[in-house]
Parts: sequence; structure tokens; C-alpha cells
Amino acid sequence: KAGVTQTPRYLIKTRGQQVTLSCSPISGHRSVSWYQQTPGQGLQFLFEYFSETQRNKGNFPGRFSGRQFSNSRSEMNVSTLELGDSALYLCASSSGVGEKLFFGSGTQLSVL
Amino acid sequence: GESVGLHLPTLSVQEGDNSIINCAYSNSASDYFIWYKQESGKGPQFIIDIRSNMDKRQGQRVTVLLNKTVKHLSLQIAATQPGDSAVYFCAENLGGGYNKLIFGAGTRLAVHP
Repeated sequence: KAGVTQTPRYLIKTRGQQVTLSCSPISGHRSVSWYQQTPGQGLQFLFEYFSETQRNKGNFPGRFSGRQFSNSRSEMNVSTLELGDSALYLCASSSGVGEKLFFGSGTQLSVL
Repeated sequence: GESVGLHLPTLSVQEGDNSIINCAYSNSASDYFIWYKQESGKGPQFIIDIRSNMDKRQGQRVTVLLNKTVKHLSLQIAATQPGDSAVYFCAENLGGGYNKLIFGAGTRLAVHP
């Protein structure tokens, strides 16, 4: 069974631009979560989607948004990029609540 | 509180020794805990999990211990190998019908031959 797939692997953007990241969960998994990882703040929860509905959101500004499609694939969008948005963005999928979460390799975003 | 990764402690061990990585979690209501291994340039890799109704769980070469009284988790790795060198994170799931993991700061494990 294929793992969690994230695209693209690397992105370079400039301040003020917007970016869309994509995540394909493990087949059969309906829960998709997004996390931001930085050297200074570690791993922080962004949001979780289940059956196309956002169930929970972390403490991030409204510039960070996401969605989930009927096939459980998910996208996250960051608008009006700031330098501080440079990070590794990780997607995790799970078969249900309180079940194992499996992570993808992440998208490394650099904002210049 | 939320994960703060300002300082990353390092545990250095000799190949073949046993390693113990410790983690303090923050929320008494957390009911599910996971240990992850992260190698450079990769996403976190699931190692082992434990639910709050257990105090010990064993996998292949790994054991997780949970002490709810003091809100403490530990990961024991037997016969540590060079391939075990990585950053290890504990994570707690706050429950409440969601999958929201709160991660610890991480511990770097360095295995020396």
C-alpha cells in the first residue's frame, strides 16, 4: 500500500505570493492533518479534515487554509506569504480518530 | 501547551547499548500517545503507540512506557544500531473526537560505533 504522498517536494516563493500544497493520503484513510515544522517552533498542528469537513484548527492566522476532496486528497493554501512561513509542511493521514497517523515526506517551503 | 522546539537535547550511545528517551506530556486528558522517528530530510516515521489504558507496550526492539501519574513517556530501544540515529518525537493526541497531535521538542539520538 502506498504511503502518504506530498507534492511538490520543494517550493521557493517570494513574500506576498500564495502557495498551494497537495497531499494524497494512504488509500482508505479519511482523516488528513497538516503540520508545520520549523527549527524554532518544532512541529505544530495546522488543521485536520475528515470527510471533506475541517474538524479542528490550530493557532495559525487565516492566511492558512485547506480543503479536502471527496477522494480524501487534501490541499492547503497559504496566502500573502511572509518570511516566517518558511518551513517544512507535513501531511498525515489516519483511518480514524485515535488511530495511527502516518506522515508524508513533506513540502519544504522557502519564502524569499 | 503547543510544541516548542527551541532546544534539542542529544543522547549519545554506543552501538549495542540500550537507549532510553524520555518525554513529558502536557495534558492529563490525552488518551493516545505515539513515538516518531525523523531522519534528516524525511517526514516523521511511526515507531510505536500506546493508549492511556496501558502502561507498557513492546514492539520489535522498542518498548514504550507510560506513567500517567507524572505525565511521562519513555521509549526504550534495545541493542541500538547506527541506523537508529535520528530525532525522536513523542506526541500526545488530545482526543475529543479529533486527531490533533501535540509534539514534544524532540531528542536527537546519536549512535557511535
